[in-house]
Amino acid sequence: AQKVTQAQTEISVVEKEDVTLDCVYETRDTTYYLFWYKQPPSGELVFLIRRNSFDEQNEISGRYSWNFQKSTSSFNFTITASQVVDSAVYFCALSEARRGYQKVTFGIGTKLQVIP
Amino acid sequence: GAGVSQSPSNKVTEKGKDVELRCDPISGHTALYWYRQSLGQGLEFLIYFQGNSAPDKSGLPSDRFSAERTGGSVSTLTIQRTQQEDSAVYLCASSLEGQSGWQYFGPGTRLTVT
Repeated sequence: AQKVTQAQTEISVVEKEDVTLDCVYETRDTTYYLFWYKQPPSGELVFLIRRNSFDEQNEISGRYSWNFQKSTSSFNFTITASQVVDSAVYFCALSEARRGYQKVTFGIGTKLQVIP
Repeated sequence: GAGVSQSPSNKVTEKGKDVELRCDPISGHTALYWYRQSLGQGLEFLIYFQGNSAPDKSGLPSDRFSAERTGGSVSTLTIQRTQQEDSAVYLCASSLEGQSGWQYFGPGTRLTVT
């Protein structure tokens, strides 16, 4: 069975601080995908990134970066120089990587509040 | 618009009444998903459609919940005899076949059962 754990339920930081959101996963599959989604106060989930289990390279996109560590089954998300617009609930997710339907398992989310 | 749309955005209903929630996926997306997000909770998977068939209904919490999809497009989630514990945000998502993890979400329907 797949499981995604986001141990931090709520985090508050002051604007311009860096913040890391933790994600630990469990799966028996050897190939899988990992995701991060952002849910701003408006409610609509926005896809941020997908990472294949074969690719452990870290990725940076502007102020966002992701650290994939297969050895510790973690896929952490760091926001550098946080801004108020980063305030949202962030979900980590996991799916199998196979043809056809792949069920996605979401973590419970981490609510990030960036204080001006 | 090109995104997933859902209606209504908000629904308040009395306990015991039936409700229908609608989802319009992105054109060309063959896969459609329904999730439920209760206050302070993560996303709870309800049902998955591929085309008009539902190969995975494992998340539907009771037989009061049902869903259908017609024309490989619009989907309706029906909750019969609503209960207060059904109050939640119901999210719909769609994706291309074989890209189920890469889902595009609608804005959700906030259901309040009084």
